[in-house]
Amino acid sequence: NAGVMQNPRHLVRRRGQEARLRCSPMKGHSHVYWYRQLPEEGLKFMVYLQKENIIDESGMPKERFSAEFPKEGPSILRIQQVVRGDSAAYFCASSPRYGRGPTLHFGNGTRLTVT
Amino acid sequence: AQTVTQSQPEMSVQEAETVTLSCTYDTSESNYYLFWYKQPPSRQMILVIRQEAYKQQNATENRFSVNFQKAAKSFSLKISDSQLGDTAMYFCAFMNDSGGGADGLTFGKGTHLIIQP
Repeated sequence: NAGVMQNPRHLVRRRGQEARLRCSPMKGHSHVYWYRQLPEEGLKFMVYLQKENIIDESGMPKERFSAEFPKEGPSILRIQQVVRGDSAAYFCASSPRYGRGPTLHFGNGTRLTVT
Repeated sequence: AQTVTQSQPEMSVQEAETVTLSCTYDTSESNYYLFWYKQPPSRQMILVIRQEAYKQQNATENRFSVNFQKAAKSFSLKISDSQLGDTAMYFCAFMNDSGGGADGLTFGKGTHLIIQP
């Protein structure tokens, strides 16, 4: 059973460009979470999605950031007009469709560098 | 909002020693879950151990065990017979029992554990 797959592993963008980060959850998992890790920090929650629905986006910056999890295909985290402060590691996690404190399985992350 | 505090930014021990990483948290919830994740230099987030707050018995996974003190809101990780491969960042994390984890995980800032040969 393949784990959570994230790509690309590394992404370099110039200021003002768009960054698209992809996440394929584990087989059978329909819940996806995105986290951001700044240097020397723990992971910070950004958004929680189920198929075709955003459940909780309270951790997402209000501007330039968006996320989707379509019926078919991977979840996408999109950052428009990137700035240097967006440089970080972005992690995706997935969990299966049951409640009561599911265990999140993480991907290896995408390191975004904005030059 | 929940907070998770790890007061030890870095720890270093000799191989084969036992080491304890501390974690405290703050919540008004009565049902929740606590986790320890390991992040080696490869950056992968690896689940080490998980504890349900309604269980009094401390979780154990091979060389890893926790000391869960619910009243004190403390959740420390003990690593016995430490190995070089245990060198990594260790993150303590909290999740509400909200029937689906809508709040996701709240992480501490991490402890950098170094195992010396």
